Amino acid sequence: KAGVTQTPRYLIKTRGQQVTLSCSPISGHRSVSWYQQTPGQGLQFLFEYFSETQRNKGNFPGRFSGRQFSNSRSEMNVSTLELGDSALYLCASSLAGRVYEQYFGPGTRLTVT
Amino acid sequence: QKEVEQNSGPLSVPEGAIASLNCTYSDRGSQSFFWYRQYSGKSPELIMFIYSNGDKEDGRFTAQLNKASQYVSLLIRDSQPSDSATYLCAVTNDMRFGAGTRLTVKP
Repeated sequence: KAGVTQTPRYLIKTRGQQVTLSCSPISGHRSVSWYQQTPGQGLQFLFEYFSETQRNKGNFPGRFSGRQFSNSRSEMNVSTLELGDSALYLCASSLAGRVYEQYFGPGTRLTVT
Repeated sequence: QKEVEQNSGPLSVPEGAIASLNCTYSDRGSQSFFWYRQYSGKSPELIMFIYSNGDKEDGRFTAQLNKASQYVSLLIRDSQPSDSATYLCAVTNDMRFGAGTRLTVKP
């Protein structure tokens, strides 16, 4: 069974721009969560989607948003990028009913210059 | 502020020894506890989860949960150099991760 895939794997953007990251969960997984990982803050939860609805949200500003499609694929968007948004963005998927047993994708490394 | 605390390490153990990793949490309502392993440059990988007080064993790994004392631990028996990684403790209900403990197993 194929794992979680994320595209693109690497991205360089300029301050003020916006970016969209994509995540395809493991087949059959309907829950998708997004995380930001930085050396200083560690792994921080952004939001979780299930059946196209946002169920949980972390403590991030409104510039960070996401959505989920009917095929469970998910996107996250960051608008008005700041230097501090440079991070590894990880997507994780899980089965419905076992939301916290998550399987992570390889991540998208975002660099903001 | 709900917190998940881990000793950042590095924790160094010789090959074959038992590695003990600890995690404390502040939210008494937490119900699910997970251990993830993250190799350098890779994404986290789920290795253990525990929901009930007591011990849960899976191969060389044992997770221990004590809700009264609000700690969860991971024991790795017969540690191997391939176990060298950062171990992340995760406490739900709000998807909160600890900062991770870096483990080095020396041959």
